[in-house]
Amino acid sequence: QVQLQESGPGLVKPSETLSLTCTVSGGSIGTYYWSWIRQPPGKGLEWIGYIYYSGSTNYSPSLKSRVTISLDTSKNQFSLKLSSVTAADTAMYYCARTISGYCQFDYWGQGTLVTVSS
Amino acid sequence: DIQMTQSPSSLSASVGDRVTITCRASQSIANSLNWYKQKLGKAPRLLIYAASSLQSGVPSRFSGSGSGTDFTLTISSLQPEDFATYYCQQTYSSLGITFGQGTRLEIK
Repeated sequence: QVQLQESGPGLVKPSETLSLTCTVSGGSIGTYYWSWIRQPPGKGLEWIGYIYYSGSTNYSPSLKSRVTISLDTSKNQFSLKLSSVTAADTAMYYCARTISGYCQFDYWGQGTLVTVSS
Repeated sequence: DIQMTQSPSSLSASVGDRVTITCRASQSIANSLNWYKQKLGKAPRLLIYAASSLQSGVPSRFSGSGSGTDFTLTISSLQPEDFATYYCQQTYSSLGITFGQGTRLEIK
């Protein structure tokens, strides 16, 4: 059974960089896409971007200038960096395995809440 | 980018009811449409992919249909565990993946 677990600071200061890691267990990170999705408190879901096991990436146009997603196959992990954060970036951040056919997210982490505040 | 509009935004129903949720895309997306269920405080769960394919392990009372711009998620006989928020997701555009705003399904 594939499991994903997000980790990283729960509090980030405005203008700084948010950094999260997703650790994948129960399966290899190879041959799949891996996504980050976020959800502001009380609001809907927003896709941030994904990375393929080869290292190729695709980001949301609205976040592209601030987002970097990277992969560490030796650790079965992938990571998110979001720069120049503001209060609008406060959200629950989820990582998810992504199936290439229809980009469906079939396994999700439990999510980690990141608050942007000084 | 492609906008996804769900209707209704919320609805109340009873256990045993048949419920339909609609998702409309701002342009044709073929069958590149997935559905998720999210219970409060939990991660979303994939129900339907490719508009009508049932994800492994999902009860058969869930079904999806549609293509082009109009899609529906139907729950044939509501169970207590089905009261949650439902999201559609389009994956057609190379410019990015987008979700509908969600439909909250509440107990009447």
